[in-house]
Amino acid sequence: DAMVIQNPRYQVTQFGKPVTLSCSQTLNHNVMYWYQQKSSQAPKLLFHYYDKDFNNEADTPDNFQSRRPNTSFCFLDIRSPGLGDAAMYLCATSRTHPMADEQYFGPGTRLTVT
Amino acid sequence: AQRVTQPEKLLSVFKGAPVELKCNYSYSGSPELFWYVQYSRQRLQLLLRHISRESIKGFTADLNKGETSFHLKKPFAQEEDSAMYYCALNFGNEKLTFGTGTRLTIIP
Repeated sequence: DAMVIQNPRYQVTQFGKPVTLSCSQTLNHNVMYWYQQKSSQAPKLLFHYYDKDFNNEADTPDNFQSRRPNTSFCFLDIRSPGLGDAAMYLCATSRTHPMADEQYFGPGTRLTVT
Repeated sequence: AQRVTQPEKLLSVFKGAPVELKCNYSYSGSPELFWYVQYSRQRLQLLLRHISRESIKGFTADLNKGETSFHLKKPFAQEEDSAMYYCALNFGNEKLTFGTGTRLTIIP
């Protein structure tokens, strides 16, 4: 089945130790998104790629970076994780922008910072 | 500021009773509106979108521009409707803004 895959599903990292979360898609969608979701809160968009064009949200901390080496893969890098970065990280894709198309979500990676 | 509000964090409804999940927004323009659902141990997925005017799994949602609301309704709740529901809006830019969600529990 075509889908959005996130690895790992659970990630534990130490305070200040860089961590990378991975997302891949077999849908051949143009747009890939990264969301952060903390307990009982709405998913919060961090950034997205439309093809190779990177779009950062104004309030996304510099500590968060992203790479999209090809259509299928997108990575979220947290350079120096703090305790406040513990959250569920959701990757999503859409064929075009959300006004025209739905977003397909991965299962998420739950990040714990010790 | 553009905002999506789901006033109920938790909602419990008896099986067979009507369901209404509330969603209000603040925006002077005409947003595109969606409802996403997350069933237990499953990923977040689209339930319905306003532009399609569909009824999915018996759910409908009507845009009320006067009240700036997009409530989700179903006349007769089923046990499999228990899930987390998110209202999401696109305010004419490139992203979705999600509400904080309502956890719906259907009581057998």
